[in-house]
Amino acid sequence: AQRVTQPEKLLSVFKGAPVELKCNYSYSGSPELFWYVQYSRQRLQLLLRHISRESIKGFTADLNKGETSFHLKKPFAQEEDSAMYYCALFPYNQGGKLIFGQGTELSVKP
Amino acid sequence: DTAVSQTPKYLVTQMGNDKSIKCEQNLGHDTMYWYKQDSKKFLKIMFSYNNKELIINETVPNRFSPKSPDKAHLNLHINSLELGDSAVYFCASSQALQTSGRENEQFFGPGTRLTVL
Repeated sequence: AQRVTQPEKLLSVFKGAPVELKCNYSYSGSPELFWYVQYSRQRLQLLLRHISRESIKGFTADLNKGETSFHLKKPFAQEEDSAMYYCALFPYNQGGKLIFGQGTELSVKP
Repeated sequence: DTAVSQTPKYLVTQMGNDKSIKCEQNLGHDTMYWYKQDSKKFLKIMFSYNNKELIINETVPNRFSPKSPDKAHLNLHINSLELGDSAVYFCASSQALQTSGRENEQFFGPGTRLTVL
């Protein structure tokens, strides 16, 4: 079964602390994974994709096929990082849909 | 502004009514989608269209009927609204269908919050 799991519904950290948002996936084949972010009262937008291997706003995510994980990390959280984060899987040949995890709400306290 | 737009932003209606949500993208994309976000913020695909053709109907009740008059528009019509239809509905678009790389990045609209009383 194809599935994306984000085990934490809410993650609360203090400003300057490291943050890791967990994402595990289930997919037979080579996955294409994304992190989307939804800031308060804004639309969902792409944060990063595993293919690009880039760092956006200080966030990175590494695909670990052995652990079937794609955790999102940032060494020093900022208050403006507070948002809802969704991990998403793009399964090939399935109509272009994204399969989303349940989302993790990140709250960064001052 | 190049973007995906949806109207209305909020929709409050009575059970049993019929309503529509409109979506337009001016990004020149070929593929458009509807997603439903429930009260627990879980996002799930409903439909995808490519060049006005239906590609996915993800076990959505027949009361939901998407219509794509051209590839820049994908409207969602809902008949006989039920309490369980209350949710936020997101429209999205992507440049192309089922290719890897940049073409499958999906751009989302601001969402339409539907409340059925």
